[in-house]
Amino acid sequence: QTVVTQEPSFSVSPGGTVTLTCGLNSGSVSTSYSPSWYQQTPGQAPRTLIYNTNTRSSGVPDRFSGSIVGNKAALTITGAQADDESDYYCLLYMGSGIRVFGGGTKLTVL
Amino acid sequence: EVQLLESGGGLVQPGGSLRLSCAASGFTYNKYAMSWVRQAPGKGLEWVSIVSDSGDYTNHVDSVQGRFTISRDNSKNALYLQMSSLRAEDTAIYYCARRSDTFFYFDSWGQGTLVTVSS
Repeated sequence: QTVVTQEPSFSVSPGGTVTLTCGLNSGSVSTSYSPSWYQQTPGQAPRTLIYNTNTRSSGVPDRFSGSIVGNKAALTITGAQADDESDYYCLLYMGSGIRVFGGGTKLTVL
Repeated sequence: EVQLLESGGGLVQPGGSLRLSCAASGFTYNKYAMSWVRQAPGKGLEWVSIVSDSGDYTNHVDSVQGRFTISRDNSKNALYLQMSSLRAEDTAIYYCARRSDTFFYFDSWGQGTLVTVSS
């Protein structure tokens, strides 16, 4: 069974930089998995941040960036702000229409 | 402006059935694949189902195979999820999501509808 792994929680200081990662229980994440990233605050629908590994969705500030780091997809927030405090989810495309979300990372800005 | 509006959620007993709907507007509906994504209370997102732009191709996560059926009516700009043999673990907010027409990601989301499976 495919499991997409994310750090359960992370904290960053205001103005700091944080990198959240998205891995696979077996194998490496590459651009062929078309990684995308979503932000969700409590009670709200997800918001699309990054697609196709490193392309920002419309209206997303450039402090958010996506990449492949080692064998994982990564979401980096540079100059974190208080309203970046959210849950972040990665999504990998497995082929044949099937997608798998990671378990999510709860980011605290303090 | 893209709008996705889910409806049909509610309380249902274990073993029961429910049909969710998603009304789409603000874009050429028949050009996009559509999906359902769910989120159990206090848990993460889970991809559930996808249907191609024409409706000819569907797929579901293993845990709902044989119980849930995704479909669409392009004449009504509508997406559906027929759920049967419901279990307590199907309790979740169900989101309708539009798949990008160029890449394998979801570019628009509805606000969700809550399904509660309980006796």
